[in-house]
Amino acid sequence: QKEVEQNSGPLSVPEGAIASLNCTYSDRGSQSFFWYRQYSGKSPELIMSIYSNGDKEDGRFTAQLNKASQYVSLLIRDSQPSDSATYLCAVSIRGANNLFFGTGTRLTVIP
Amino acid sequence: EAGVTQFPSHSVIEKGQTVTLRCDPISGHDNLYWYRRVMGKEIKFLLHFVKESKQDESGMPNNRFLAERTGGTYSTLKVQPAELEDSGVYFCASSLKRQGGYTFGSGTRLTVV
Repeated sequence: QKEVEQNSGPLSVPEGAIASLNCTYSDRGSQSFFWYRQYSGKSPELIMSIYSNGDKEDGRFTAQLNKASQYVSLLIRDSQPSDSATYLCAVSIRGANNLFFGTGTRLTVIP
Repeated sequence: EAGVTQFPSHSVIEKGQTVTLRCDPISGHDNLYWYRRVMGKEIKFLLHFVKESKQDESGMPNNRFLAERTGGTYSTLKVQPAELEDSGVYFCASSLKRQGGYTFGSGTRLTVV
């Protein structure tokens, strides 16, 4: 069983719509959760981090964490073509220094 | 502030040869990480330095891989001898804090033929 699971997509949404990206994790000791955006051929870029249950908003991005369900999501409001990228979910487990990554969801925003 | 710099950006070598990848972290970042992404798979942890010390090398696949961080500044990752399954993108990342989000470099794409 993988530590972090994501739907690989591709996920296509029209410009201006809400894009919803989902991630589940297997270890209940997970304590920190991150979303990275990766454009093709570029480095992963940290866009959101969340540490406690609930929602965290930053501009057009909202991260949602539900530890009971072992589920973390990223909502992108008013999606723009420039949001088209692969979104990586990453989790750190208590006591571990490293991050466990999902395989990423490829998002395409259609103008 | 300069980001995390990796070079070369691409390397194509023959099976059995040696390759050395280099990473320059963000200045002042004591934590330096190496990760690898094999095609079609997720990004996987290789090892973690705190300054010049190896904090965790549990992700290193085998003893053909050797990482160093001289003086706690830049780091090198040497693969010797390279095998076909070593092909992938090798990412370096650095951070101020031990846990938390990292800043990644743009990666080195290694192809072993």
